[in-house]
Amino acid sequence: DSGVTQTPKHLITATGQRVTLRCSPRSGDLSVYWYQQSLDQGLQFLIQYYNGEERAKGNILERFSAQQFPDLHSELNLSSLELGDSALYFCASSVASGGRYGYTFGSGTRLTVV
Amino acid sequence: TQLLEQSPQFLSIQEGENLTVYCNSSSVFSSLQWYRQEPGEGPVLLVTVVTGGEVKKLKRLTFQFGDARKDSSLHITAAQPGDTGLYLCAGAGNNDMRFGAGTRLTVKP
Repeated sequence: DSGVTQTPKHLITATGQRVTLRCSPRSGDLSVYWYQQSLDQGLQFLIQYYNGEERAKGNILERFSAQQFPDLHSELNLSSLELGDSALYFCASSVASGGRYGYTFGSGTRLTVV
Repeated sequence: TQLLEQSPQFLSIQEGENLTVYCNSSSVFSSLQWYRQEPGEGPVLLVTVVTGGEVKKLKRLTFQFGDARKDSSLHITAAQPGDTGLYLCAGAGNNDMRFGAGTRLTVKP
């Protein structure tokens, strides 16, 4: 157990729907990062939050949004889902902002859009 | 286009053999990390290298950071089936980290 908790572990939904993925960071970590991993794209950085504020944005689609709450947990919202959104979605956390000393990853949410 | 290029993409070897995988970039990073990922799990941090030319050893694994802090290598001595997995390098920027596509290693008993 890495200390980063992601729910749900698996999610199957239809095209056009909206889903919410949840992440609780490791105790003491203030930064949360979201990554998408697909077979042909590898790990793609989506967005980072530090202590409730957005710090960096990567290749995140406009249909996707995220937030970090006062208790530091984070949610990634995916809407108007397409087949191509099927992927593993990982949350990672770190004490400080930036990856200088590495991240702790959760076990991921496997999203299947049918 | 990947910011970090890893080679080889796939590697299949017999137990007991040695191997080296590489991570190259045209960018300079403040640090570089290596992760190992097993199927259905998130990446697990193996090591962080910060100083150009730095060498770190973790049992049978040796990590090296290039002098210019643009590239790194991972050498495994006497590989074991338990070393099987996806090895990812990642370069740290100001506020995020970018990953290579990984080297998928299979060690056959």
